[in-house]
Amino acid sequence: QVQLQQSGAELVKPGSSVKISCKASGYTFTSYDMHWIKQQPGNGLEWIGWIYPGNGNTKYNQKFNGKATLTADKSSSTAYMQLSSLTSEDSAVYFCARSGNLGYWGQGVMVTVSS
Amino acid sequence: DIQMTQSPASLSASPEEIVTITCQASQDIGNWLAWYQQKPGKSPQLLIYSATSLADGIPSRFSGSRSGTQYSLKISRLQVEDTGIYYCLQRYSNPWTFGGGTKLELK
Repeated sequence: QVQLQQSGAELVKPGSSVKISCKASGYTFTSYDMHWIKQQPGNGLEWIGWIYPGNGNTKYNQKFNGKATLTADKSSSTAYMQLSSLTSEDSAVYFCARSGNLGYWGQGVMVTVSS
Repeated sequence: DIQMTQSPASLSASPEEIVTITCQASQDIGNWLAWYQQKPGKSPQLLIYSATSLADGIPSRFSGSRSGTQYSLKISRLQVEDTGIYYCLQRYSNPWTFGGGTKLELK
């Protein structure tokens, strides 16, 4: 069965970076886009972008250009998202989800930006 | 960016009632629309894709429809386990955009 296992919660300082992971299993990792979605506390969902692990192609929501960097490691079937220059506005839960239709989601990673 | 205007923002209904949630797209998105349910502390779950297709394992009381650029999710015979927040998502063009969500509570 398809599973997306995300890394644990992060407490990070303003101005720093963080890299969170999403390990895929139960399907051919290189055949499906992996999407990332942000959810701030008490708020709705915001699409960040996707990566196609087969060739590393990426597409970002322009709002997250320079903020999020998506990568993928085919050898470990793991997708990564690095968030840089963190501020309090980046405190949120971040989900990975597999295309098509975002039918499979990771459990989410809570990132807290605080000094 | 395509705006997805979702209504109502919240709704309270009784078990066995029929409820309808709508999303209005700011431009044509064809059938590139999906619906999700999210329960507190959980990841969203796909209910409907391609505007009208029921996702695997989803009860048949959930259905989706389209009229032009307005999309609807209908839940017939509401059950207690249907509480949660519902979101629509357009994936017609980048950036993909979600509706603002509808919080469904049972009376």
